[in-house]
Amino acid sequence: EAGVVQSPRYKIIEKKQPVAFWCNPISGHNTLYWYRQNLGQGPELLIRYENEEAVDDSQLPKDRFSAERLKGVDSTLKIQPAELGDSAVYLCASSLGGQGAIHEQYFGPGTRLTVT
Amino acid sequence: GNSVTQMEGPVTLSEEAFLTINCTYTATGYPSLFWYVQYPGEGLQLLLKATKADDKGSNKGFEATYRKETTSFHLEKGSVQVSDSAVYFCALETSGSRLTFGEGTQLTVNP
Repeated sequence: EAGVVQSPRYKIIEKKQPVAFWCNPISGHNTLYWYRQNLGQGPELLIRYENEEAVDDSQLPKDRFSAERLKGVDSTLKIQPAELGDSAVYLCASSLGGQGAIHEQYFGPGTRLTVT
Repeated sequence: GNSVTQMEGPVTLSEEAFLTINCTYTATGYPSLFWYVQYPGEGLQLLLKATKADDKGSNKGFEATYRKETTSFHLEKGSVQVSDSAVYFCALETSGSRLTFGEGTQLTVNP
């Protein structure tokens, strides 16, 4: 069974430019997560989807970050415009889902973003 | 709120040495506890978990016991290998909350 797929794996952009990351979760997983992992730190949740609904986006900087999960499968995370401080690894994860229950999250390999 | 504290790293050991990585937590409610491992260039993988007090999670020779009285979930392995070199993250989750990670501990095992 394929795992969580992310692309691109690496991205280098200049500040003020836009950037987008794509994630394809494990088939059948209703819950999808986007995390940001700064160098030397643990991942921090940006947004969580249950199917196509964003149920936890309190940590998403909405002035420049946006996300969508059309049809409740693939998801895209966008930054516009990017700032130097956005340099990090962006991780996507998925799980079987269901609010009120704890399910194992499966992580993709991440996209390493460098903003110059 | 929930939080996880891991021992400061990095940790460097010789092959076949005993490993302990300390993890303590603060949580509201009754958390499930996890250890994730991140090998170089790869995504996080769940290493082991425990869902209630006194449970012991184990996998690939690693063990951790959920200690409610000391709010700890220390990771141990009796004999490490070079292939165990990675970053290890302790994490917790309570029902209705997000997965909260510690800062990670870099382990390097030398032959």
